[in-house]
Amino acid sequence: RKEVEQDPGPFNVPEGATVAFNCTYSNSASQSFFWYRQDCRKEPKLLMSVYSSGNEDGRFTAQLNRASQYISLLIRDSKLSDSATYLCVVRQAGTALIFGKGTTLSVSS
Amino acid sequence: DAGVTQSPTHLIKTRGQQVTLRCSPKSGHDTVSWYQQALGQGPQFIFQYYEEEERQRGNFPDRFSGHQFPNYSSELNVNALLLGDSALYLCASSGDRVDPPGHYGYTFGSGTRLTVV
Repeated sequence: RKEVEQDPGPFNVPEGATVAFNCTYSNSASQSFFWYRQDCRKEPKLLMSVYSSGNEDGRFTAQLNRASQYISLLIRDSKLSDSATYLCVVRQAGTALIFGKGTTLSVSS
Repeated sequence: DAGVTQSPTHLIKTRGQQVTLRCSPKSGHDTVSWYQQALGQGPQFIFQYYEEEERQRGNFPDRFSGHQFPNYSSELNVNALLLGDSALYLCASSGDRVDPPGHYGYTFGSGTRLTVV
């Protein structure tokens, strides 16, 4: 079983749509959680951290459920510029970041 | 303030050859991690270096080796190249003890695209 699993995608949505990505992780010792964004042929960049209390950054909302080992990312009012691959990332104490396979989002006009 | 720099940006090698990739970390970072990203996949962790020693290793064969220098820069070496080693190799540096918690400022370079023919 992969340590981090994500929705396979791709997600194709019109501008203005709301889209949700889901992710599960297998190691209950995971302590830190993030969503990264990766544009085509570019390096991954941190989008936002994910906290148990849930957190929001503009149109983006991230949620963590430790009991279910489940992470989500909600994007409201999608823009063309949101088209990218979204990577779910976890980290245990003292270890490197572990990435999921990623989910590709394509927003069309 | 320079971020993470990797060289070369592109490389073509023949099966069986050896390759060395280089990474200079972001200023102030002391830890370097290497990742392999095949087409359509997420980055796969290869290993991490801290204080010139391999601190953690992912599920990669011994053909993959590395080194960290006193100035925190790092090299990734791959011996006996296989066609399946063709991928984007990403270097990330970290070491910030500031927000966000648990992230340590992981910053990625733009990668080296290796093609094995």
